[in-house]
Amino acid sequence: EIVLTQSPATLSLSPGERATLSCRASQSVSTYLAWYQQRPGQAPRLLIYDASNRGTGTPARFSGSGSGTDFTLTISSLEPEDFAVYYCQHRSNWPITFGQGTRLEIK
Amino acid sequence: EVQLLESGGGFVQPGGSLRLSCAASGFTFSTYGMSWVRQAPGMGLEWVSSISYHSVDTFYADSVRGRFTVSRDNSKNTLYLQMNSLIAEDTAVYYCARGARIATIDYWGPGTLVTVSS
Repeated sequence: EIVLTQSPATLSLSPGERATLSCRASQSVSTYLAWYQQRPGQAPRLLIYDASNRGTGTPARFSGSGSGTDFTLTISSLEPEDFAVYYCQHRSNWPITFGQGTRLEIK
Repeated sequence: EVQLLESGGGFVQPGGSLRLSCAASGFTFSTYGMSWVRQAPGMGLEWVSSISYHSVDTFYADSVRGRFTVSRDNSKNTLYLQMNSLIAEDTAVYYCARGARIATIDYWGPGTLVTVSS
């Protein structure tokens, strides 16, 4: 099973700042990595797929990078609605796994 | 517009059974793999099961293998999850999602809560 480790667990920033979230895989997942945003009480929403492709409706301030074992989600300038929990997930092989999440909170 | 709507959640005693359903619309259901993902209260996301578009291939997390069965009816655009021998650790919101391993999980339903307790 591929373990995805996200860091930091919690990130405290202010609106307008840049956010950098990390996801590290225990073995290579190539670029089969996605990022999801989950707001309280809501279902997850796809942001980025295949490491660097924005999903339908994902704002341009969100970008993804990486391949192999190290991946980054960057939010260039935080909007109030961006404060949420973010999960990475791989589909390289079975079982599909998720990272434990990074909580992005308002400083 | 892609829509997924789960139903069938509720309260069940340990050892009991439930069947979840997921009604899909807004896309050609029969051409997509589908998945179930759950989230225990206050916890992260856990993949549970996936099924190929033609039902030939099914996959399960170790935590549910032998107890849960995923199926689909392409004529009804509906995904199912039969859950037997439920335990307290199965308590979670269960999400239906479009996609699996071949294609990214890209759309999610709002979820249905399953509570296992005596």
